[in-house]
Amino acid sequence: AQSVTQLGSHVSVSEGALVLLRCNYSSSVPPYLFWYVQYPNQGLQLLLKYTSAATLVKGINGFEAEFKKSETSFHLTKPSAHMSDAAEYFCAVTGGFKTIFGAGTRLFVKA
Amino acid sequence: DAGVIQSPRHEVTEMGQEVTLRCKPISGHNSLFWYRQTMMRGLELLIYFNNNVPIDDSGMPEDRFSAKMPNASFSTLKIQPSEPRDSAVYFCASSFQDVAYEQYFGPGTRLTVT
Repeated sequence: AQSVTQLGSHVSVSEGALVLLRCNYSSSVPPYLFWYVQYPNQGLQLLLKYTSAATLVKGINGFEAEFKKSETSFHLTKPSAHMSDAAEYFCAVTGGFKTIFGAGTRLFVKA
Repeated sequence: DAGVIQSPRHEVTEMGQEVTLRCKPISGHNSLFWYRQTMMRGLELLIYFNNNVPIDDSGMPEDRFSAKMPNASFSTLKIQPSEPRDSAVYFCASSFQDVAYEQYFGPGTRLTVT
């Protein structure tokens, strides 16, 4: 079975500051891991995905995530936050035929 | 590509009425997912089709909900009768081959049942 835990339902950063959104997963099989972003009144969009290749994955809009098997983590980072990054972010894990989404972390960016 | 298309974008109906939500997946994708999103419960998978066949409907809340995929380019989610607790945003997503691949989400249908 798979599960995802996103630490922190809300994260607030200043513009230009580091963004760190935390995700821990549980999977009984080698997982595929994803980060999605949802802007207001829109569907989810893929930011990046890990599929057992390089452990450091680069995505769109300057985001990246590192797969750490020993820590069962897949945290999302961005060196410098921009106002346009304000959105909700979802971590997801797939193992077998089902994708499990985390509860989401809402990112606020202060000017 | 036009992306995943959902209709209607907004639906307001009275309790007891039938509601039908529609989805057109991305051409060439053979997996289709229906999700429901609420503040209280987050994003929930309702049902998953692969090659037009329902594979997992364990997330369908109760018998009032039904979903069909008559062909590769069209799916419906029906609620009959609707209840206020069904108010949510319903998303359709499609994927190439299976869940190992990223899902492409539609814009959602915001359903309000009064």
